[in-house]
Amino acid sequence: EVQLVESGGGLVQPGGSLRLSCAASGFSFNVYWMNWVRQVPGKGLVWVSRVSPDGTSTRRYVDSVKGRFTISRDNARNTLNLQMDSLRPEDTALYYCVRGTTNGATIFDHWGQGTLVTVSS
Amino acid sequence: DIQMTQSPSTLSASVGDRITITCRASQNINRWLAWYQQKPGTLPKLLIHTASTLQSGVPSRFSGSGSGTEFTLTISSLQPDDFATYYCQQYDTEGTFGQGTKVDIK
Repeated sequence: EVQLVESGGGLVQPGGSLRLSCAASGFSFNVYWMNWVRQVPGKGLVWVSRVSPDGTSTRRYVDSVKGRFTISRDNARNTLNLQMDSLRPEDTALYYCVRGTTNGATIFDHWGQGTLVTVSS
Repeated sequence: DIQMTQSPSTLSASVGDRITITCRASQNINRWLAWYQQKPGTLPKLLIHTASTLQSGVPSRFSGSGSGTEFTLTISSLQPDDFATYYCQQYDTEGTFGQGTKVDIK
């Protein structure tokens, strides 16, 4: 069974940093693209970032987080990370770790339960 | 950036109704479009990808069509379990979602 378990969310002041992690199990992590998607409770879905299976060849970000967020993965530990710096109140959301595909298509078939990030003074 | 616009934002319908949701892309995305269903307090569920390919386990009353910039999601006979919010998502370039269409009970 595919499992994605996020951690690392919390309350942080504007300008601060957080590091989100996602522990993956139940599938061959090292052949899948992985993503972060966020959702303000009660609002819509926003794709945030994705990383290629090898962790280095492709990293992509939505424009609103470019230069502030960094996605990474550790295939030896089946872990996906999101380093979030220079956080802003508008980054407040539930952040989901989401499995993509093996061929690079940004389709989301398995979602973690999410970790809540609140940016507020 | 590719923008996705869904209509309507809210749709009121009854059990047994045939409903259609439209999704428009700001530029040609070929058939690189997916649809998701999300119920309150639950995770999004992939229904359709490549505009019309039903994900495994999704009931056949759901169907998708379109290409280029205009797409539709149709539910042929609305069931009680289908009252939810539906999102389209393009994946021609990264992954942009529409704003969602809430299907509620008339």
